[in-house]
Amino acid sequence: QSALTQPASVSGSPGQSITISCTGTSSDVGGYNYVSWYQQHPGKAPKLMIYEVSNRPSGVSIRFSGSKSGNTASLTISGLQPEDEAYYFCTSYTSSSTLPFGGGTKLTVL
Amino acid sequence: EVQLLESGGGLVQPGGSLRLSCAASGFTFSNYAMSWVRQAPGRGLEWVSTISDSGGSTYFADSVRGRFTISRDTSKNTLFLQMNSLRAEDTAIYYCAKDYFRGSYLNAFDIWGQGTMVTVSS
Repeated sequence: QSALTQPASVSGSPGQSITISCTGTSSDVGGYNYVSWYQQHPGKAPKLMIYEVSNRPSGVSIRFSGSKSGNTASLTISGLQPEDEAYYFCTSYTSSSTLPFGGGTKLTVL
Repeated sequence: EVQLLESGGGLVQPGGSLRLSCAASGFTFSNYAMSWVRQAPGRGLEWVSTISDSGGSTYFADSVRGRFTISRDTSKNTLFLQMNSLRAEDTAIYYCAKDYFRGSYLNAFDIWGQGTMVTVSS
């Protein structure tokens, strides 16, 4: 079960937009619309930000959006705010009925 | 308020066993699949195991299959993780998590507990 591939870090200034990628294979990201994204602040439990590629749970800011092209899913955060600084993890259902996570991306708001 | 509260973590020697519990409240426990996700110190999230809403289906990561067992007690609204043959690499915070959709599984987790720490060391 290979973890999905995410960049180790991304950064942006307040007000800017950033995109975090999550690359898998046709057996996971590319084969199913069951990609989720989680935000985790240090010492806290993860928080669901996006489910099923592009859907936001109630209460999540519209600044967060998700998409997918082929075997790569993406999380875009627009209008960056200081409180967005956190780790972000993607996950996807797989053809083996497992749910691997990406390695995580640290977002720094400059 | 929807809440998950883990317990049972602690220090255990390599080769030992531990049983984690997760008490659920604020939702109809029997309607949702439940999962365990762990996070080693300073590392990323790792999905460990999922059990269906009925308890009839279980799923495991390769790293724990054959050593860990997941179960649930609907009468007590509690999820369990029995961990046997523990290794140093099992050291992590263990979170329990609720599936977002009723009746689905291995999809998205909308509610997480605060986690319980498991340390495997001699």
